[in-house]
Amino acid sequence: GNSVTQMEGPVTLSEEAFLTINCTYTATGYPSLFWYVQYPGEGLQLLLKATKADDKGSNKGFEATYRKETTSFHLEKGSVQVSDSAVYFCALDTRKGNTGKLIFGQGTTLQVKP
Amino acid sequence: EPEVTQTPSHQVTQMGQEVILRCVPISNHLYFYWYRQILGQKVEFLVSFYNNEISEKSEIFDDQFSVERPDGSNFTLKIRSTKLEDSAMYFCASSVGPNIGEQFFGPGTRLTVL
Repeated sequence: GNSVTQMEGPVTLSEEAFLTINCTYTATGYPSLFWYVQYPGEGLQLLLKATKADDKGSNKGFEATYRKETTSFHLEKGSVQVSDSAVYFCALDTRKGNTGKLIFGQGTTLQVKP
Repeated sequence: EPEVTQTPSHQVTQMGQEVILRCVPISNHLYFYWYRQILGQKVEFLVSFYNNEISEKSEIFDDQFSVERPDGSNFTLKIRSTKLEDSAMYFCASSVGPNIGEQFFGPGTRLTVL
């Protein structure tokens, strides 16, 4: 079946460090891929997305490239800030029945220290 | 900026009691969703809802669960007889259409079943 696997957290970095959060997926067909972010006390917010192979999603300095050959969608940022501290969720849509159901990974907590 | 709201933020109930979790989706959205996240586990899809009926539901969404859009603005999730394992964070989401644009999430309701 369809599934998403993320790297275990928490990830603790110093400000201005390089960030990578790994995400791999299993899916039939050609899913769209997403990264959502959840700041403390808030709902999940869409950070970026990619809808087909080799697409690169980007937003707020974060990037992720849809790699069909490795079934991956790793999140990267060149220089993290304290304000990036949050929980990051990788997700895919199943494209089944056009319902827009999202399948999530388990989330990775990022802590950025000054 | 429009947002999805959820009430209450935290609900504590006794096992076997009925609970109703409430959500107000964004006003021009047509598709509505419930997800849940048991502590330390993945965000899981429960149900999607469109045109006053369920579009898709997961295996989790058994006869103890029901959803309703009673008045054109609220979207509710009812659990008839809560179990200990229903303790989780419940997220409501809405979107303009399935696979069109993003799903906007509420901040969640933390349900604790004692």
